[in-house]
Amino acid sequence: DAKTTQPNSMESNEEEPVHLPCNHSTISGTDYIHWYRQLPSQGPEYVIHGLTSNVNNRMASLAIAEDRKSSTLILHRATLRDAAVYYCILRGSSNTGKLIFGQGTTLQVKP
Amino acid sequence: DSGVTQTPKHLITATGQRVTLRCSPRSGDLSVYWYQQSLDQGLQFLIQYYNGEERAKGNILERFSAQQFPDLHSELNLSSLELGDSALYFCASSASSGPLLHTGELFFGEGSRLTVL
Repeated sequence: DAKTTQPNSMESNEEEPVHLPCNHSTISGTDYIHWYRQLPSQGPEYVIHGLTSNVNNRMASLAIAEDRKSSTLILHRATLRDAAVYYCILRGSSNTGKLIFGQGTTLQVKP
Repeated sequence: DSGVTQTPKHLITATGQRVTLRCSPRSGDLSVYWYQQSLDQGLQFLIQYYNGEERAKGNILERFSAQQFPDLHSELNLSSLELGDSALYFCASSASSGPLLHTGELFFGEGSRLTVL
């Protein structure tokens, strides 16, 4: 699976939108882009995933660049509960299902 | 609640000892994954089982072993424990199979915190 690059940390104010970037310049055509997050003292939880088109769900939106070499996770209105480590992960068709976590982005939300 | 149950939640033991961590996946999930999270290494993939068979292996030490039983629960055995094995151990499960394996969602338990003194 190809590698991703994320900023180590980001800050946001409560109730403002947050854009978490991820670079994956070596992504292959069959790689899905997955986002997970890990709240303090909890296991990781699924946020969203996509292949080519932008995706929305109740938690967030995923904007995928046209060349697929980068993507952005968008939290529309950050809450204090969104403070977590966010992981951008690529999974290819040869992947057995496992997730390989990088260092992720630690998001701090200020009241 | 992810539906994945891990026991024990906390475990304190001494160097050289052996422990067993248990994971009950979500009902019907065939895939089980084990991860180790320490402060300096982040989340490391250890091993994956699918319907009782080992499917993928990651950075799992030879002192560690795992298995998945016919009822689909899994156990991670850690032996000859060292101080550096102190970590959070997470289990995850997934319902996906075949061509959907790389798209399906993983559900993580709350982890077992192992402290080796």
